[in-house]
Amino acid sequence: ETGVTQTPRHLVMGMTNKKSLKCEQHLGHNAMYWYKQSAKKPLELMFVYSLEERVENNSVPSRFSPECPNSSHLFLHLHTLQPEDSALYLCASSQVRKREGYTFGSGTRLTVV
Amino acid sequence: AQTVTQSQPEMSVQEAETVTLSCTYDTSESDYYLFWYKQPPSRQMILVIRQEAYKQQNATENRFSVNFQKAAKSFSLKISDSQLGDAAMYFCAYRSANGGAQKLVFGQGTRLTINP
Repeated sequence: ETGVTQTPRHLVMGMTNKKSLKCEQHLGHNAMYWYKQSAKKPLELMFVYSLEERVENNSVPSRFSPECPNSSHLFLHLHTLQPEDSALYLCASSQVRKREGYTFGSGTRLTVV
Repeated sequence: AQTVTQSQPEMSVQEAETVTLSCTYDTSESDYYLFWYKQPPSRQMILVIRQEAYKQQNATENRFSVNFQKAAKSFSLKISDSQLGDAAMYFCAYRSANGGAQKLVFGQGTRLTINP
């Protein structure tokens, strides 16, 4: 399998649930990213993990918790979410200091009820 | 902070015709990259074309080409001979060439419809 794979493709969860989104890249990249895509809004960078740094968007609520156990895997742990957190969550990877852009996964469509 | 603006929320074009999508950006940096991504209903963002800021020559990829105006901070995408498969959301994006894990900054997107 090649590219960036995200699971699950769809997720419906209640506000009291705990769930995790998974992202896996098979490209040998050394940086991974979580983006949130909401209707009528630009893509919002949530977290960046690379060999050199972890970067967080300070506006991301603490109910979103990232985990990057190695350069190929990235998780987004979710707990006590709100309905406004419903969105498409996109994972991407890249090679740091290379001129290429990101490679994206197909996203997880999250609905919070 | 860098910003990217796409002023056309929606565009439509007849099949086989040419369409141009607009993008402007704001930055104080001199070295950076610009991208156009396509997002079809399958949701996966697909890289369409890339431009390095230090290159004066406009990038071209088959039917896709850009008009890069560095002084005006403009980066438009031209799609020639439009095909039904070109229908998608198109996003313009900026990335600094400095630093470590360079973050992509996206515009709001333009929804392109192809009329048969």
